[in-house]
Amino acid sequence: ETGVTQSPTHLIKTRGQQVTLRCSSQSGHNTVSWYQQALGQGPQFIFQYYREEENGRGNFPPRFSGLQFPNYSSELNVNALELDDSALYLCASSLKEGWNEKLFFGSGTQLSVL
Amino acid sequence: DQQVKQNSPSLSVQEGRISILNCDYTNSMFDYFLWYKKYPAEGPTFLISISSIKDKNEDGRFTVFLNKSAKHLSLHIVPSQPGDSAVYFCAASSNAGGTSYGKLTFGQGTILTVHP
Repeated sequence: ETGVTQSPTHLIKTRGQQVTLRCSSQSGHNTVSWYQQALGQGPQFIFQYYREEENGRGNFPPRFSGLQFPNYSSELNVNALELDDSALYLCASSLKEGWNEKLFFGSGTQLSVL
Repeated sequence: DQQVKQNSPSLSVQEGRISILNCDYTNSMFDYFLWYKKYPAEGPTFLISISSIKDKNEDGRFTVFLNKSAKHLSLHIVPSQPGDSAVYFCAASSNAGGTSYGKLTFGQGTILTVHP
């Protein structure tokens, strides 16, 4: 058990809708990252937040946006949903110190876009 | 552009034998490598890591080997146990400029099945 919790666990939306996914980081962690895992693929980096600011972004369009709150919880928002957005969305938290860090993942939110 | 590749989608091993999972990368800027294990309906769990200044790191039954010249790393599990059956992901990061925290590039994963 990593202490990273995500909600909801499953979600069904239709194309064009908007969705908000939530993540509660492990206690003491100040950094949160979001990943998208399509079926049969490895997780792909969406973006990371550190001290409530975006701290790097992967190859995802602007309709993917996020927030990090003072209590280090986080949201991932996706606007104008497309069928290809159907995937497992993973949140990972970490403590930013030193040279490298290990990510602790939540169990994910399975999003289906119909 | 798949910068981290796990070319074996699956691996089947007998309990007690060695499991060897392989991973290749193309980005020479990668300097930190990790292995994650994932069970169904759970998020990936950190297993073991290695920095590019080393060529081997051990943790109990798990050993990771890094061959920088070949841009190849492998995970050895000895002895393999049925509870090791899971999807294993190789991941890499680059800390050049200190801007890469949390930005892992994952391979596609290898499904390991350990038979009793």
